Amino acid sequence: VQLQESGPGLVKPSETLSLICAVSGGSISSYYWTWIRQPPGKGLEWIGSIYYSGRTNYNSSLKSRVTISVDTSKDQLSLKLNSLTAADTAVYFCARGDSGYGFSYFDYWGQGTLVTVSS
Amino acid sequence: SSELTQDPAVSVALGQTVSITCQGDSLRTYYPSWYQQRPGQAPLLIIYSRTDRPSGIPDRFSGSRSGNTASLTITGAQAEDEADYYCCSRDTSDNPYVLFGGGTKLTVL
Repeated sequence: VQLQESGPGLVKPSETLSLICAVSGGSISSYYWTWIRQPPGKGLEWIGSIYYSGRTNYNSSLKSRVTISVDTSKDQLSLKLNSLTAADTAVYFCARGDSGYGFSYFDYWGQGTLVTVSS
Repeated sequence: SSELTQDPAVSVALGQTVSITCQGDSLRTYYPSWYQQRPGQAPLLIIYSRTDRPSGIPDRFSGSRSGNTASLTITGAQAEDEADYYCCSRDTSDNPYVLFGGGTKLTVL
């Protein structure tokens, strides 16, 4: 399984970020799919996940600004984040999630794409 | 909301054993996963479920949990183990739903 993020490296404040994650080597119609970001020099932050059923969960701190969707015909995951500020500058990762009773994990990750919010 | 707490930095002499800890209330309910991240790279899953390792992860990496504390242990640390390590768990509330610890920078001396 391979994941590859793509999107603009530079976005202006107040605009909307759109990222795509292309999944190959496995079906996107199972497991759950997640966006995670990492500001420069800082730790990982979960943005949200989408399940093969279409159900989504978002980080409450971002919920009003984020939309995650899946296009099963293209095996692609997408992220939209609006009303950007400099605080949204980060490396954005997509990842595949799996879970069992009492545990969950992210076993495949994209290489990440740096998004800088600046005018 | 809940959180997962890790020591910011830990060091270990080459070949010695080191444990990296992660504390949080959610760990009483959920087993954490652990990730290794080298500079400029994506995180790599190294421990999940109770003590499972993905294929290709050396058996010097192991995990454990007691109460609200989980530990990642490296037995016989190697130079290539120098990296940032993150724990991750489901939250017991609906948000943020997935928690990451702040990360521990491991230095191999």
